[in-house]
Amino acid sequence: GAVVSQHPSWVICKSGTSVKIECRSLDFQATTMFWYRQFPKQSLMLMATSNEGSKATYEQGVEKDKFLINHASLTLSTLTVTSAHPEDSSFYICSASLTGGENEQYFGPGTRLTVT
Amino acid sequence: GQQLNQSPQSMFIQEGEDVSMNCTSSSIFNTWLWYKQEPGEGPVLLIALYKAGELTSNGRLTAQFGITRKDSFLNISASIPSDVGIYFCAGHSNSGGSNYKLTFGKGTLLTVNP
Repeated sequence: GAVVSQHPSWVICKSGTSVKIECRSLDFQATTMFWYRQFPKQSLMLMATSNEGSKATYEQGVEKDKFLINHASLTLSTLTVTSAHPEDSSFYICSASLTGGENEQYFGPGTRLTVT
Repeated sequence: GQQLNQSPQSMFIQEGEDVSMNCTSSSIFNTWLWYKQEPGEGPVLLIALYKAGELTSNGRLTAQFGITRKDSFLNISASIPSDVGIYFCAGHSNSGGSNYKLTFGKGTLLTVNP
């Protein structure tokens, strides 16, 4: 149980284009989903917290107009990287908390974004 | 903001040896979680701890929630090559309106030599 999927697993795009990453909870409902970014050999950096049916809460320093988050249902959240630049290249990972769960987060397999 | 100090940063051990890693914090946490991440994948939850003093096992893994609520350790017994990966501790506190956010340690890179 508690399986989270991400799509795509990797993507290469050109500078200036937008990329959408999907995060799905496959066997449970997730009121809250989280988006992280991870650079090589570093820990996870929380970008934003996404609550179903409401606006996402962004961490300090994360541009909300650049990283658009939509959490339209209890099983799907999307992250859109708009006007991507090479410095946006990174490993993006989502996680989900079970509705009523005790703070456990279950992670997706990640999406490797490369902007050329 | 809250920070977790995780140590050691890396470990190189021989197959069969036991491993111990820990996390400490200057503030109190209500939940401690331990994750393992392999290259190119997302972290996988290993053990979750909810009460001070709690000791929980998952196969060869054992983790404890410190009495002071400011620390936790993870032990791996009789290591095997597939234990290789980065282990992260993560904590949750109810203070400051954190609303389910986790604070992560910087990770312990474990290498097991067969």
